[in-house]
Amino acid sequence: GEDVEQSLFLSVREGDSSVINCTYTDSSSTYLYWYKQEPGAGLQLLTYIFSNMDMKQDQRLTVLLNKKDKHLSLRIADTQTGDSAIYFCAENGGGGADGLTFGKGTHLIIQP
Amino acid sequence: DAGVIQSPRHEVTEMGQEVTLRCKPISGHNSLFWYRQTMMRGLELLIYFNNNVPIDDSGMPEDRFSAKMPNASFSTLKIQPSEPRDSAVYFCASSPPSYEQYFGPGTRLTVT
Repeated sequence: GEDVEQSLFLSVREGDSSVINCTYTDSSSTYLYWYKQEPGAGLQLLTYIFSNMDMKQDQRLTVLLNKKDKHLSLRIADTQTGDSAIYFCAENGGGGADGLTFGKGTHLIIQP
Repeated sequence: DAGVIQSPRHEVTEMGQEVTLRCKPISGHNSLFWYRQTMMRGLELLIYFNNNVPIDDSGMPEDRFSAKMPNASFSTLKIQPSEPRDSAVYFCASSPPSYEQYFGPGTRLTVT
């Protein structure tokens, strides 16, 4: 079945770049997503990328997709304390407006 | 735009009681999703609707769970009877006719 894998934790220093990685198994995924969840809150859609793209940039966020290796990454430039959260990778299984399959989330910890 | 609205935000109930969770999607969105988040299993899709019609309920754990969408602006997720293992955060999300899903703040359910 579909599977999305992420590292559980990432620790970076304030001001450095954060790179959160994700691998997925469903080769039919048409869209891949990054969501952010702060404590006690819902999931905030950060960005998404269509599977025929290999890069998407949006201000401090850069998404890289290697479809051959089924590898997705999210780079956050100039990481700030407000970026501290859990980041979820998700894919939509290629079926249009289908439900998403999520990874377990990566806790981003910012060191001062 | 108010975003996806869920109620109640917190629910504490005793085992065996009926629980009803409510969701109002973003106006104009034609797909609605119910997810459950637990520490052990992460985020799981329970069911989703397209144009008020249930499309995939394979994620609904048992017959104790049921969901309805009587119109485009309202959905319910009902658990009857509730059990302690149903304790989780339940998220509703909605999507326009594209690939973006927007999540509500969630309902934290505790069954004692």
